[in-house]
Amino acid sequence: QVQLQQWGAGLLKPSETLSLTCAVYGGPFSGYYWSWIRQSPGKGLEWIGEIKSSGRTNFNPSLKSRVTVSVDTSKKQVSLKLYSVTAADTAIYYCARNHKYSYGQDYWGQGTLVTVSS
Amino acid sequence: IVLTQSPGTLSLSPGERATFSCRADQSVSSTYLAWFQQQPGQAPRLLIFGASTRATGISDRFSGSGSGTDFTLTISRLEPEDFAVYYCQVYTGSPSSMYTFGQGTKLEIK
Repeated sequence: QVQLQQWGAGLLKPSETLSLTCAVYGGPFSGYYWSWIRQSPGKGLEWIGEIKSSGRTNFNPSLKSRVTVSVDTSKKQVSLKLYSVTAADTAIYYCARNHKYSYGQDYWGQGTLVTVSS
Repeated sequence: IVLTQSPGTLSLSPGERATFSCRADQSVSSTYLAWFQQQPGQAPRLLIFGASTRATGISDRFSGSGSGTDFTLTISRLEPEDFAVYYCQVYTGSPSSMYTFGQGTKLEIK
């Protein structure tokens, strides 16, 4: 059974860098796109970006200038960095696996609440 | 692409039929349309992809339909565990490859 386990700092100050990692267990890693999605009360679900195991990336244009996503295939991990955070970046952040043959995300991590506050 | 879901809240009783609407502001391929269910405190769960194909393990009480700008998720007979928030999502390939979600419809017990 595929499981995604994510971790990272939950409390940040404005201007700091959000850093999260997601590890994949119980299933294949290569050949899939892996997405980062966040959810805040004010903006609902927002897709941040995706990375394929090969390293190819796509990003939400609204966040592209502040986001990097990386992959470590040997560890079956994907990582997210969001720079220069503000209170508006406070949200639950999820990693998720994109459906291999269609669109949408078929497996999700448990979510990490990240709060940005001075 | 902007997705607008209606209604914002749906109040029904177990055993009734639920219908959720998702409208796009421009035509989208049905291949790119998905539906998710989210229970409180949990991550979203994929229900439907390709507008009408049930994801693995999803009950046949859930069905999706639609094309162009109008898509529908139907739950034929509500069970207690179905009361949750439902989101539609679309993938767009240009000008930027990205996903967009609707704002969600909350299904509550009447």
